[in-house]
Amino acid sequence: AQKVTQTQTSISVMEKTTVTMDCVYETQDSSYFLFWYKQTASGEIVFLIRQDSYKKENATVGHYSLNFQKPKSSIGLIITATQIEDSAVYFCAMREDSGYNKLTFGKGTVLLVSP
Amino acid sequence: GGIITQTPKFLIGQEGQKLTLKCQQNFNHDTMYWYRQDSGKGLRLIYYSITENDLQKGDLSEGYDASREKKSSFSLTVTSAQKNEMAVFLCASSPGQGTEVFFGKGTRLTVV
Repeated sequence: AQKVTQTQTSISVMEKTTVTMDCVYETQDSSYFLFWYKQTASGEIVFLIRQDSYKKENATVGHYSLNFQKPKSSIGLIITATQIEDSAVYFCAMREDSGYNKLTFGKGTVLLVSP
Repeated sequence: GGIITQTPKFLIGQEGQKLTLKCQQNFNHDTMYWYRQDSGKGLRLIYYSITENDLQKGDLSEGYDASREKKSSFSLTVTSAQKNEMAVFLCASSPGQGTEVFFGKGTRLTVV
């Protein structure tokens, strides 16, 4: 069964610094997809970035990048040059290739960016 | 672009009542999901559907029914509302395997 674990409940950083959020996953599949989502204060959930398990190169989108360590079943989200508006809850999620599109989320990490 | 519309936005029910939440998407996506989010918590999968008339149970399906009679719509029924079910229910959809998921704005359920 697939499982996603985010151990950091909350992180506080100063604006313009770099932050890393951790996520580990469990799967029996050799092929899977990993995602990060952001939930803003209004409750809106938006997709940020994804990593396909067969790709060795870490994904990067804007000031978001991933640290994919397959042997450790780890997919960290790195936000560089953080901004106040990055304050939100960040969710890691996984979908197995054989899992009928089942998408499982972690419990989330609250990020607070201060000026 | 497209949109996911959830109705109602707010739902107040009586304990023991049967309640139905509706979700419509105009992305023409194959897969649709229902998640429950309790205050300050993560998203737990209730039901999902990979195509019209398909239903797959998630990790939290007990106490819920779902229906996917059309590709564009996915409804969720709380079979007997309980006081500990005050939560936000989120509907989502995706085109298919390996693709990202798009979320609706949620239905906030309160049971009195």
